[in-house]
Amino acid sequence: KNEVEQSPQNLTAQEGEFITINCSYSVGISALHWLQQHPGGGIVSLFMLSSGKKKHGRLIATINIQEKHSSLHITASHPRDSAVYICAVANEKLTFGTGTRLTIIP
Amino acid sequence: GAVVSQHPSWVICKSGTSVKIECRSLDFQATTMFWYRQFPKQSLMLMATSNEGSKATYEQGVEKDKFLINHASLTLSTLTVTSAHPEDSSFYICSARDLKGTNTEAFFGQGTRLTVV
Repeated sequence: KNEVEQSPQNLTAQEGEFITINCSYSVGISALHWLQQHPGGGIVSLFMLSSGKKKHGRLIATINIQEKHSSLHITASHPRDSAVYICAVANEKLTFGTGTRLTIIP
Repeated sequence: GAVVSQHPSWVICKSGTSVKIECRSLDFQATTMFWYRQFPKQSLMLMATSNEGSKATYEQGVEKDKFLINHASLTLSTLTVTSAHPEDSSFYICSARDLKGTNTEAFFGQGTRLTVV
């Protein structure tokens, strides 16, 4: 079993839909990162969380430390949100989930 | 957020030659830099961790003589793929963190797509 599990692996939705991507982990962490990787490969850090909830624009990230679970939400999704979203848990190193490939159809 | 610049963004080289990839933190001191490799549709695999001024720590299965890492300053780390072979073709990406501070956010370079022909 991987230390970091993401679901779903692939997600296709219509523009405007509310999107949720889930991440569960099994190790102790100091923080959890949500990352976005576009087709060109570059990675952008969206959030770093150690507790509670963070919001940036249409993106919301939550974490439940007791349940070892985090979610990334996208409101009013847009085709430009199409990317791979990666959950990574941090201690001394980052351990990555396998990513969720999101496709938003106009 | 902080910026990490990785160069080149893509490179094509002949088998047997060496390729150097640079990773620079532009507006903060990166006490620790990480080098990752990513195969198509797979997650990032940590290759090595480098701390400024000391030898890199390589993950199991990564050949240290083949993937030379230098972290000579707090703003620059380099990865040199020596005697490259087609199986080394991959996407390489660096990440920088300031682990001495309280903010341990990770910042990523743009990645380098290496093709060995």
